[in-house]
Amino acid sequence: KAGVTQTPRYLIKTRGQQVTLSCSPISGHRSVSWYQQTPGQGLQFLFEYFSETQRNKGNFPGRFSGRQFSNSRSEMNVSTLELGDSALYLCASSLLAGGSHEQFFGPGTRLTVL
Amino acid sequence: AQSVTQLGSHVSVSEGALVLLRCNYSSSVPPYLFWYVQYPNQGLQLLLKYTTGATLVKGINGFEAEFKKSETSFHLTKPSAHMSDAAEYFCAVILHDDYKLSFGAGTTVTVRA
Repeated sequence: KAGVTQTPRYLIKTRGQQVTLSCSPISGHRSVSWYQQTPGQGLQFLFEYFSETQRNKGNFPGRFSGRQFSNSRSEMNVSTLELGDSALYLCASSLLAGGSHEQFFGPGTRLTVL
Repeated sequence: AQSVTQLGSHVSVSEGALVLLRCNYSSSVPPYLFWYVQYPNQGLQLLLKYTTGATLVKGINGFEAEFKKSETSFHLTKPSAHMSDAAEYFCAVILHDDYKLSFGAGTTVTVRA
């Protein structure tokens, strides 16, 4: 079974631009979560989607948004990029069935904002 | 409030020595507990998890962890370190009725030959 895939793997943008990141979960997984990883703040939760509904959102400004499609694929968007948005963005999928709570991570998208 | 505390941001061990990474959580109800490993330029890989049942959990690559409710701890151990264990390790929790992982700050493991 294929793992979580994220595209693109690397992105370079300039301040003020916007960016869209994509995540394809493991087949059959309906929950997709997004995390931001930076050296200063560590791993922080952005949001979680299940069956196209956002169920949980972390403490990030409204410039960060996401959505999930009917096939469970998810995208996140960051508008008006700031230098501090440079980070590794990780997507994780979860089955959430039978008491299973583990999340499986993709390789991440490395975003650099210049 | 910080849910997970990892003691020690860096641990250096000799090849063949015991690896011990400490993790404590702060929750009145024991959460679901996880250890993840991250190699350079990669995502996170699940090492092991505790949800219910046996408190000693065995994971991949020879790692194991013991859930101790009285100590609110979930320390990770490996009896004999290999060079390939050099990586960053994260302890994480999911609180009941929640869907997000809360991570500790991470511990970087260096293995000396």
